Amino acid sequence: GAGVSQSPRYKVAKRGQDVALRCDPISGHVSLFWYQQALGQGPEFLTYFQNEAQLDKSGLPSDRFFAERPEGSVSTLKIQRTQQEDSAVYLCASSFTRLAALSDTQYFGPGTRLTVL
Amino acid sequence: AQSVTQLGSHVSVSEGALVLLRCNYSSSVPPYLFWYVQYPNQGLQLLLKYTTGATLVKGINGFEAEFKKSETSFHLTKPSAHMSDAAEYFCAVSDSGNTPLVFGKGTRLSVIA
Repeated sequence: GAGVSQSPRYKVAKRGQDVALRCDPISGHVSLFWYQQALGQGPEFLTYFQNEAQLDKSGLPSDRFFAERPEGSVSTLKIQRTQQEDSAVYLCASSFTRLAALSDTQYFGPGTRLTVL
Repeated sequence: AQSVTQLGSHVSVSEGALVLLRCNYSSSVPPYLFWYVQYPNQGLQLLLKYTTGATLVKGINGFEAEFKKSETSFHLTKPSAHMSDAAEYFCAVSDSGNTPLVFGKGTRLSVIA
């Protein structure tokens, strides 16, 4: 596709369930980012991949959060044993850069809205 | 650590009036600065960015921003608001491009006919 796509667009989970959120970046984009956007807040960085390598995961809030990008393209963000505070929009972004230039233009997907009951 | 403050969570302007959205940052090294716009149910879209060079940066849709180091500011302006400008605007900073983007809390712009 022409842009970054994410699925599902909406996810409702019961507290304690595991969820998996998918991101399809723009074809050929080397870098991929995950952000968490709570209601009324700006996006907060979670993790960053360059190809299949996870170079920075300093923003992951707990060990219940795990991200992977095994083939350097599609990425999955997994949240285990979901809690109510995990309710947020999860944004994925990709950029073309082949360097660790985190300021390169990032193209964002529409996000997945996760609601934990 | 870098941070961003956006003054005013909600700004309302009349159609045709000047748009001014304020952004102040803190950074221990020369900052890279960004403005993104978010329309309902859509992802963020880059409006403009400052990395080095000219301090007045022009972006898409008639927006521009000026980097003022002495004021640690990067305010976003547009001379004449259009109804289609109604959206959420986010300012973001990176330490010389070597750190992930840090976003402000956003400013919702409403345009009144």
